[in-house]
Amino acid sequence: AQTVTQSQPEMSVQEAETVTLSCTYDTSESDYYLFWYKQPPSRQMILVIRQEAYKQQNATENRFSVNFQKAAKSFSLKISDSQLGDAAMYFCALGGQGGSEKLVFGKGTKLTVNP
Amino acid sequence: GAVVSQHPSWVICKSGTSVKIECRSLDFQATTMFWYRQFPKQSLMLMATSNEGSKATYEQGVEKDKFLINHASLTLSTLTVTSAHPEDSSFYICSARDGVWGGDTQYFGPGTRLTVL
Repeated sequence: AQTVTQSQPEMSVQEAETVTLSCTYDTSESDYYLFWYKQPPSRQMILVIRQEAYKQQNATENRFSVNFQKAAKSFSLKISDSQLGDAAMYFCALGGQGGSEKLVFGKGTKLTVNP
Repeated sequence: GAVVSQHPSWVICKSGTSVKIECRSLDFQATTMFWYRQFPKQSLMLMATSNEGSKATYEQGVEKDKFLINHASLTLSTLTVTSAHPEDSSFYICSARDGVWGGDTQYFGPGTRLTVL
């Protein structure tokens, strides 16, 4: 069975600082995808970043980057120059290949950004 | 691109009535759509996976006769909560997979808050 673990229920960061959210996962698949989704108070799930497991290069999207360690099954999210609008729940998700493959979500990390 | 809408965003109904929630992919064709349920301060719980033109696949513990899913076209899936009861009150979220350009990324709708009185 596939599992995703987010060990930090809550995190806080000062505006303009950097924060890293942790995620570990377990899967027996060799090809899979990893995602970070953001859920602000509006509850709209927003894709933050996506990583294909076969790619060694870590994905980057502007201020968001990941540290993907395949052997360790670790997939952390780094947010640089944190902004007030980054405050949200962040969910790590694991997905398999194929159209009907489900996403397995972690329990989420609530990020607070302090001004 | 990759916009998913849900309607209604909020619905209140009486116990025993049925409620239909629509999920539409606005700018792409979604061969697969997913329905989730989210309780306050919790993660998303997958209820079912629907593929266009075929029967939905329900997760263990989800009542098929209570949560009817129809995926009649590549841009529309509906979830009908039949004979709703207060315990069905929740936040329901759909997602859609862009089968042509989006790889295996799921894009989410804004959710529907259901309150059953």
